[in-house]
This record gives sequence, C-alpha cells and structure tokens, in this order.
Amino acid sequence: AQSVAQPEDQVNVAEGNPLTVKCTYSVSGNPYLFWYVQYPNRGLQFLLKYITGDNLVKGSYGFEAEFNKSQTSFHLKKPSALVSDSALYFCAVRDTNDYKLSFGAGTTVTVRA
Amino acid sequence: DTGVSQNPRHKITKRGQNVTFRCDPISEHNRLYWYRQTLGQGPEFLTYFQNEAQLEKSRLLSDRFSAERPKGSFSTLEIQRTEQGDSAMYLCASSLAGLAVLNEQFFGPGTRLTVL
Repeated sequence: AQSVAQPEDQVNVAEGNPLTVKCTYSVSGNPYLFWYVQYPNRGLQFLLKYITGDNLVKGSYGFEAEFNKSQTSFHLKKPSALVSDSALYFCAVRDTNDYKLSFGAGTTVTVRA
Repeated sequence: DTGVSQNPRHKITKRGQNVTFRCDPISEHNRLYWYRQTLGQGPEFLTYFQNEAQLEKSRLLSDRFSAERPKGSFSTLEIQRTEQGDSAMYLCASSLAGLAVLNEQFFGPGTRLTVL
C-alpha cells in the first residue's frame, strides 16, 4: 500500500520569502515521488520528480524538493516566493513496479504581495 | 495544443441519467489513466490502460462505471444511473510506457460532473 500525507492545509507567505510545502509518504518498496500544482479551473501541472540519485531535485519555476529517506519526506521548497505561486500543490507517490499515483489531500499556498 | 484534452469540461445531469466523458491523450503516449477528484481531496486512481488493454481497476470503480480505449488512442468513461455522490472532477492523464515507471503523468483539464 502507498499513501501520502500533506500535514498543512494552507501555507501563507509573503512575496520574496522562502516557501516550504511539506509531504511525507509511505510505500512498501522504493518510492517514486512527484509534485504537481493545480491552478483554478486547470489540470494538474507537473513540477518535479524524484526517482533515484541526488536527494535534491530541481524542477520548474524555481521549485526544488529534498528527498529524505530516513524521515520519509519529500518537502517542496522555493527560495523566494512569487504572488503567482499561489495555487494548490499536491504531493504524489508511486511504489516500485506500480503505475498509479497516490496523492495527498493538497496544500493551498497563498503568497501575499 | 498537444496536451491531454478532455470533453466536455462541464456536465450537469439529473440523478439516474447516464453520462460519458472523453479523453484524448498526448499522441505518442500509450498509457492512459483516469482519476477522480472531490472537493478538498487529492485525485484518486480509478483505472488505467496500456494501449487498448485495461490493466487495473480501483475498488472505487463500481459496476456503474465503465471505461474503454477501443483503438489505444482516446478513452471514454461512462457512468450509468448517476448518483449525487458521483459529483466530482474526473481527470485523465497519460504517460509513456517502456520506462513508464520513471515517466511522469500529464494531466488533462478535467471534466467537472454535477449530479442534481
């Protein structure tokens, strides 16, 4: 079984400040981890993924995420948030040899000017 | 636009009616997935296809739901005798097979179903 937890429903930050969105996961095998962003009335957009290798993964729009196996976490980060980063963010996990994604409940990010 | 497309974008129906949604994946993608997203929740897996073969179905997919991908290209998701609990956003995604386990899924804009 695989599952994802996003412990924060909402994250509020000021523009220019660092942004962190938390994610923890549970899988029986090796995890493949993903972050997606969803804007109103639009589909999910892929941001980045961790498959193997370097624990720090860089993705689109200046986002990065750090894989921590011992803490089973995959937190999304951005050094300097923009107002346009305000959206709904989903963490997802896929187990080894599986194809379906399991998503967290999502975290709403609001960046104030 | 070469992304995943879904039609219709919105569907309002009365309880007990049948509805059908269509998904057109990215042209070279041979894996296709359906998910359902309800308000305040992340997407939940329903089913997926490799080419025309339906390889897995979730327990969420009751016998009122049926999905097809007859020629390995577009897919349809039909819900018979709709219930108010079926109201949700239905998302379609596609990806490449081969090294599919490494490939991210690309999502369409979704079809929002409202059952009155």
